[in-house]
Amino acid sequence: EIVLTQSPGTLSLSPGERATLSCRASQSVSSSYLAWYQQKPGQAPRLLIYGASSRATGIPDRFSGSGSGTDFTLTISRLEPEDFAVYYCQQYGSPRFTFGPGTKVDIK
Amino acid sequence: EVQLVESGGGLVQPGRSLRLSCAASGFTFDDYAMHWVRQAPGKGLEWVSGISWNSGSIGYADSVKGRFTISRDNAKNSLYLQMNSLRAEDTALYYCAKARRTWVAGAFDYWGQGTLVTVSS
Repeated sequence: EIVLTQSPGTLSLSPGERATLSCRASQSVSSSYLAWYQQKPGQAPRLLIYGASSRATGIPDRFSGSGSGTDFTLTISRLEPEDFAVYYCQQYGSPRFTFGPGTKVDIK
Repeated sequence: EVQLVESGGGLVQPGRSLRLSCAASGFTFDDYAMHWVRQAPGKGLEWVSGISWNSGSIGYADSVKGRFTISRDNAKNSLYLQMNSLRAEDTALYYCAKARRTWVAGAFDYWGQGTLVTVSS
């Protein structure tokens, strides 16, 4: 089973700042089958990025993903008030579709 | 518009069973894999189980293997999760999620609002 580790656990930033979130896998993720999700309190998760770097439908271009192999990054170029949430990475290249523990982005 | 509506959650005693359902609409159900993901109160996301478009491939998390059974009825556009021998640690909000592909290689692009399962005596 591929284990995903996310860092930092919490990121405290101000609106307008750049956010950089990390996701590291215990082994190489097949074909960059790595996704990022955003979850706000009381809501279901929302797909942001798939294939490590492709934005899902309707996702603003301030969200970008990069990486391959075992190291992946989600970048939010300029934080908007609605971006303060928890972000999860997920690998879906093997039949154990594991999630990382999440990074909370909160307002500084 | 894609819609996923879960049902079947509730309060159940340890050791008992529960069956969750997910009614899907707004897309061609039998073209995609489907999954169950759960979230314990105040915790992160945990993938529980998934099933390919034709039920030919099925997977389970180690935490539920042997106790939970996933199935789908493509004629009814429905996904199910039979949960047996329930434990307190199965208490969570259970989400139904649609994948972008027929099995692996598909991220989860639509999610339901979840159904709450509480296991307690």
